[in-house]
Amino acid sequence: EDQVTQSPEALRLQEGESSSLNCSYTVSGLRGLFWYRQDPGKGPEFLFTLYSAGEEKEKERLKATLTKKESFLHITAPKPEDSATYLCAVQAASGSARQLTFGSGTQLTVLP
Amino acid sequence: GAVVSQHPSWVICKSGTSVKIECRSLDFQATTMFWYRQFPKQSLMLMATSNEGSKATYEQGVEKDKFLINHASLTLSTLTVTSAHPEDSSFYICSVLRESYEQYFGPGTRLTVT
Repeated sequence: EDQVTQSPEALRLQEGESSSLNCSYTVSGLRGLFWYRQDPGKGPEFLFTLYSAGEEKEKERLKATLTKKESFLHITAPKPEDSATYLCAVQAASGSARQLTFGSGTQLTVLP
Repeated sequence: GAVVSQHPSWVICKSGTSVKIECRSLDFQATTMFWYRQFPKQSLMLMATSNEGSKATYEQGVEKDKFLINHASLTLSTLTVTSAHPEDSSFYICSVLRESYEQYFGPGTRLTVT
């Protein structure tokens, strides 16, 4: 069974204080690992897709990396508007399934 | 990316009534859409996979007679919650599957059953 574990559950940072969010996963063959941002009362917003170990992607203050067992979302010099819940999800390569298995998320609060 | 809309954004209904939620793919013809529900402080739980022109595939534990899904066109999928009860109150979110296997989500629908 595919599993995704995110840590920490919650993270409070001062504006400008860089940090990383962790996503550990077990999956029977990885098709893709996805990062989303979710604001309260809204649907998840797509951030990144990573397909293979060693891959990295960047968008503004965010950088996602992938190894064979985990992914990190690095946040450099965060701003209050980066406050949100960040969700990690995996998609297995086996069979025709295209569903995502989500982690429970990391709630990030950036204080001004 | 993809642009996905949902209607309504929130709805309040009385126990025993049915509610229909629409999910539209505005810029992409989607063969496959997904329906999720999310309880407060929890992550997304997949309810069903909606395939255009065929029956939806439901996840274990999801009552197909209670949560009716119709994917009548490549841009529209609907979720009908039949005989709703207070325990059905939740945040319902749809997503569109693109050819890159990426899923793009709608803004969600808040259902409250009184």
